[in-house]
Amino acid sequence: SQKIEQNSEALNIQEGKTATLTCNYTNYSPAYLQWYRQDPGRGPVFLLLIRENEKEKRKERLKVTFDTTLKQSLFHITASQPADSATYLCALGRAGGYNKLIFGAGTRLAVHP
Amino acid sequence: DTGVSQNPRHKITKRGQNVTFRCDPISEHNRLYWYRQTLGQGPEFLTYFQNEAQLEKSRLLSDRFSAERPKGSFSTLEIQRTEQGDSAMYLCASSFGRTDNSPLHFGNGTRLTVT
Repeated sequence: SQKIEQNSEALNIQEGKTATLTCNYTNYSPAYLQWYRQDPGRGPVFLLLIRENEKEKRKERLKVTFDTTLKQSLFHITASQPADSATYLCALGRAGGYNKLIFGAGTRLAVHP
Repeated sequence: DTGVSQNPRHKITKRGQNVTFRCDPISEHNRLYWYRQTLGQGPEFLTYFQNEAQLEKSRLLSDRFSAERPKGSFSTLEIQRTEQGDSAMYLCASSFGRTDNSPLHFGNGTRLTVT
């Protein structure tokens, strides 16, 4: 069955450093991948979309890569700030799937001053 | 854009009771989704509406669950004869667009606790 794996342990980094989060998947051929941020007690908030034919996307301090050969996406936050502390979810979608997303369990990021 | 609104935010019920949740999507969004999320897990897809038509239901959605979206506006999710395993956060999301990959706009969920 299809499986999405994200770093199960929390990621602790120092303010100003780059945070790198990993999303690996198996038994799935996504047409695109989305990253969401979720704060405690709140719904996920969309951050970035990357399509299968794209290698890299950037938005301000965020960068996402997508390697369909490795079946992996990396999500980077540069110059991290304590306000970036949250859980980050990756989600996969198929073409023709009306954005029915399959989510990973998320990685909790803690940025320390 | 007032965002996706869900009510109630919290619901505590006794096993065997029926509960109903409401979702008001962003007004111009034609697509509406229900997801369920348990602690430490990502959201799991439950069902999808395009306008008023329910186009897919997950196998997770047993016959105790029913969802409606009359007139393609707000949506309700009802759980009959609740069980303790139904305790979770129920998330509603909406999106607009003809493309498959339009971002989902989530509400802040209804947290259900079944005692």
